[in-house]
Amino acid sequence: QQQVKQSPQSLIVQKGGISIINCAYENTAFDYFPWYQQFPGKGPALLIAIRPDVSEKKEGRFTISFNKSAKQFSLHIMDSQPGDSATYFCAASSGGGADGLTFGKGTHLIIQP
Amino acid sequence: DTAVSQTPKYLVTQMGNDKSIKCEQNLGHDTMYWYKQDSKKFLKIMFSYNNKELIINETVPNRFSPKSPDKAHLNLHINSLELGDSAVYFCASSQDPGSGELFFGEGSRLTVL
Repeated sequence: QQQVKQSPQSLIVQKGGISIINCAYENTAFDYFPWYQQFPGKGPALLIAIRPDVSEKKEGRFTISFNKSAKQFSLHIMDSQPGDSATYFCAASSGGGADGLTFGKGTHLIIQP
Repeated sequence: DTAVSQTPKYLVTQMGNDKSIKCEQNLGHDTMYWYKQDSKKFLKIMFSYNNKELIINETVPNRFSPKSPDKAHLNLHINSLELGDSAVYFCASSQDPGSGELFFGEGSRLTVL
């Protein structure tokens, strides 16, 4: 059973556009929602994260929007750049992360120049 | 200095062989993990150790045996390799089990022929 559903599987955005990736979760015990970015041949790296006590978190061009009642959260990349081309994973954890992270299946993002 | 380092980066071996992957972190973290990333990029936790003690052991064949000689090292030994074991194996660490911020190594790509 997949506990974190991520969409779309792949996404092509023009340079300067907004990239939006969505995730939905089922386990109401989840209390930490990070996004990881992975470049080819590298390990995933934490990009930005949110806890359910806030509805939005912004860091530079990256914003997480969180809807607790709908059990959904999304990543917005503003002014998308070719260097943002990567695979993005949403994730969730409960118990303060003690149970490990459950990852979505990933979104392959391509920013066209 | 590489924060989380894994060796080897590539492994090509025959079915039935035994192989090991080593992982070391120099971040002073208490918790280390092994994740498996399959050909579709799906990331799944396999094991987690905190201060050399096993805290997460997902449903993984017992051919996989992790060993943590100290909190800076977490090795993965795989017996009787099967075709389906082909994947990229990522080691990661975090400050403690409650931290959702994981630092990943660059991965070890295992190919079983």
